[in-house]
Amino acid sequence: GNSVTQMEGPVTLSEEAFLTINCTYTATGYPSLFWYVQYPGEGLQLLLKATKADDKGSNKGFEATYRKETTSFHLEKGSVQVSDSAVYFCAPIYNQGGKLIFGQGTELSVKP
Amino acid sequence: ETGVTQSPTHLIKTRGQQVTLRCSSQSGHNTVSWYQQALGQGPQFIFQYYREEENGRGNFPPRFSGLQFPNYSSELNVNALELDDSALYLCASSLRETQYFGPGTRLLVL
Repeated sequence: GNSVTQMEGPVTLSEEAFLTINCTYTATGYPSLFWYVQYPGEGLQLLLKATKADDKGSNKGFEATYRKETTSFHLEKGSVQVSDSAVYFCAPIYNQGGKLIFGQGTELSVKP
Repeated sequence: ETGVTQSPTHLIKTRGQQVTLRCSSQSGHNTVSWYQQALGQGPQFIFQYYREEENGRGNFPPRFSGLQFPNYSSELNVNALELDDSALYLCASSLRETQYFGPGTRLLVL
């Protein structure tokens, strides 16, 4: 079945460091791709999305580019803040109206 | 704020009991999806409702059932609760493919 793989956490960075969280997805079909963020004790918040190859999603300084040739959707941010500490989930959706497929998520911890 | 609300926020039940969780979708959204998130794991798809009909189901037993109402709000019912049902239950509403999540209901089964 379809699946997604994220880099294992926890990822620990100092404030203002550059962030990359790797995400690869199964190459079946042409999914839309999403990043969600979950702060402690909360639900999931949509961070950004991309619906076709070479699209770049961006929000709050985070960016991710839909790379069909490498089946990847890596999340990047140029300068992280303590408030970015959370768990990040990459999730493809393979048909409109279908289910999101989640991996285990990547925990990010940013130290002052 | 997504406009998706869930109730209750927390719930404690004992093994064998039944539970009903509720979700109000964002205004204008006609689709609700339910997910189970065990501690330290990613969410797992339970099922989806579109215009009051089940529109897909994940690998969950029949004791997990649901409803969607004409106003597109939804319920998740779980019968014969087991200890492993302890989790955060998330609902998400959507109009097209982008799903917006509520804050979740944390269920503890003792």
